Amino acid sequence: DADVTQTPRNRITKTGKRIMLECSQTKGHDRMYWYRQDPGLGLRLIYYSFDVKDINKGEISDGYSVSRQAQAKFSLSLESAIPNQTALYFCATRNRSKNIQYFGAGTRLSVL
Amino acid sequence: AQSVTQLDSQVPVFEEAPVELRCNYSSSVSVYLFWYVQYPNQGLQLLLKYLSGSTLVKGINGFEAEFNKSQTSFHLRKPSVHISDTAEYFCAVSLTMNSGYSTLTFGKGTMLLVSP
Repeated sequence: DADVTQTPRNRITKTGKRIMLECSQTKGHDRMYWYRQDPGLGLRLIYYSFDVKDINKGEISDGYSVSRQAQAKFSLSLESAIPNQTALYFCATRNRSKNIQYFGAGTRLSVL
Repeated sequence: AQSVTQLDSQVPVFEEAPVELRCNYSSSVSVYLFWYVQYPNQGLQLLLKYLSGSTLVKGINGFEAEFNKSQTSFHLRKPSVHISDTAEYFCAVSLTMNSGYSTLTFGKGTMLLVSP
């Protein structure tokens, strides 16, 4: 089983719909991150959390919200999806003392 | 704030040829440096990292990178590539200060295309 699991792997939705992407991890890490990947733009940080009660906005947080339900779970929500949120979304985790982030397999989201 | 520039969006190369993927960074303070690889339809995995010590860092699958502080570069090299090395490669940087609270800044990626 994967250490960092993202669900769903693929999602097609319509403009204006609310959608949640979920991430869970079995690595016991306290830090968790959400990124989006767009062709030619690399990965950009949306939100990150250092622990359950510490959530921070990243570079491109507008139009997104997050919830850290437990140390192992970090969800990303699009309150009202729009077509330019079509992208590949990655969750990542790391331990506070080690400088390595571990990534999930990604969620491919299409907003029509 | 730190930034990362990957100078080539695509690098085509023939199998068994050497390859270098270029990465330059900008930061007013000291940084840690990373290369991640993304194979088709997969997430990112760490290829190698520079945290301290020797400036020549060896990673998985025969890749290595050299940290050059004066040129603010961290270029990735492999002496002989395989078809299976076809993937997208991302250079990333994080600050050393308060490293437990730092975030990663990624470059835009370089697609390595290995053909027979």
